[in-house]
Amino acid sequence: GQNIDQPTEMTATEGAIVQINCTYQTSGFNGLFWYQQHAGEAPTFLSYNVLDGLEEKGRFSSFLSRSKGYSYLLLKELQMKDSASYLCAVTEDGSGNTPLVFGKGTRLSVIA
Amino acid sequence: NAGVTQTPKFQVLKTGQSMTLQCAQDMNHEYMSWYRQDPGMGLRLIHYSVGAGITDQGEVPNGYNVSRSTTEDFPLRLLSAAPSQTSVYFCASSKSRAWLSNQPQHFGDGTRLSIL
Repeated sequence: GQNIDQPTEMTATEGAIVQINCTYQTSGFNGLFWYQQHAGEAPTFLSYNVLDGLEEKGRFSSFLSRSKGYSYLLLKELQMKDSASYLCAVTEDGSGNTPLVFGKGTRLSVIA
Repeated sequence: NAGVTQTPKFQVLKTGQSMTLQCAQDMNHEYMSWYRQDPGMGLRLIHYSVGAGITDQGEVPNGYNVSRSTTEDFPLRLLSAAPSQTSVYFCASSKSRAWLSNQPQHFGDGTRLSIL
């Protein structure tokens, strides 16, 4: 089975740094995705981690610890347009009937 | 640059009616999937396909049918609509099986479906 936990909501100030955590329990873990979803829109890809460590992409970074079943998304220099939901998704080995499992998402509000 | 196209964008049905949600992609992607998104529930996988002629069930398949006769198209059929199927439906595609690679999924804009 799969279990993915993310905080439901977070609020941060424009210009600040925010860390969104994701913990998971799965079998046959293969990798972890982060997606961004603005209200009323489709999810869009942000990052992918398969090895332990930090992946940096501009203002966004994503970290993975496979041994701890833990990932975080780090957003720097927050902008108002970063207000969105952030979805953590874990890929399994395809042996089950849900090869890609999404967490419920973290709704981030950026305030002035 | 169409990507993943879903039609219709909005639909209202009466309980018991049937309908097909259309999904087409023009990226020659092997893997396609359907999700539903409900408040507080996140994205839940309904059905997926790893190639033409091959489909499989996801987490919440009951009440839905799919087929994959071509690489491009992956329609989702509601056989007899129920109010519990009121949701936002997203179709997604990726170059290969998500669980074997780092290929991200590309999502359509969604279909907002209300069942009265």
